Amino acid sequence: NAGVTQTPKFRVLKTGQSMTLLCAQDMNHEYMYWYRQDPGMGLRLIHYSVGEGTTAKGEVPDGYNVSRLKKQNFLLGLESAAPSQTSVYFCASSYRDRDIYNEQFFGPGTRLTVL
Amino acid sequence: AQKVTQAQTEISVVEKEDVTLDCVYETRDTTYYLFWYKQPPSGELVFLIRRNSFDEQNEISGRYSWNFQKSTSSFNFTITASQVVDSAVYFCALSDSFTGGGNKLTFGTGTQLKVEL
Repeated sequence: NAGVTQTPKFRVLKTGQSMTLLCAQDMNHEYMYWYRQDPGMGLRLIHYSVGEGTTAKGEVPDGYNVSRLKKQNFLLGLESAAPSQTSVYFCASSYRDRDIYNEQFFGPGTRLTVL
Repeated sequence: AQKVTQAQTEISVVEKEDVTLDCVYETRDTTYYLFWYKQPPSGELVFLIRRNSFDEQNEISGRYSWNFQKSTSSFNFTITASQVVDSAVYFCALSDSFTGGGNKLTFGTGTQLKVEL
């Protein structure tokens, strides 16, 4: 099993350009997440999904959009990139259990630089 | 609102020393889960432990141990006889029902541990 994979691993954009980050998981997890990690700030949730076809905003959703058309994939889009979106982006997934909050499994991250 | 505080930004120790990483959390919920993750220099996030709010027993796994105290809202992590390979950023995280479902996590800002020879 590959676990959680992210594409691409690195990307450099110019201000105003758009791009899509792809996350894929092969563990049949219901829940998927996108985080960004900035120095000294830990990980902050951008958007998340509790199932195919559903998405919701996290802590820092502005400037991002997401889609989950298939259970195994979760896409993060930047419509018009800004330098403030320079960050490392992590995708994660977890099982749904009725009364248990399961651990999240993380992808390797995507390092994005916006010039 | 839920919050996780890791007051130690960076800790440096000499190999074989014991080290404790502190984690203090805030939540209004009675049912919640706490987690620790490790982020080595390679950048990936590695799950270490999950603990629910009803289980206050301390846990030991090899050189790692965790002390959960609801009375002080703390979930501290101790590495015994530290090794250079323990050098990493360690994150504490909280998940509770007030996060609105989906097992969402609130992370602390992390503690950078440097273990030197």
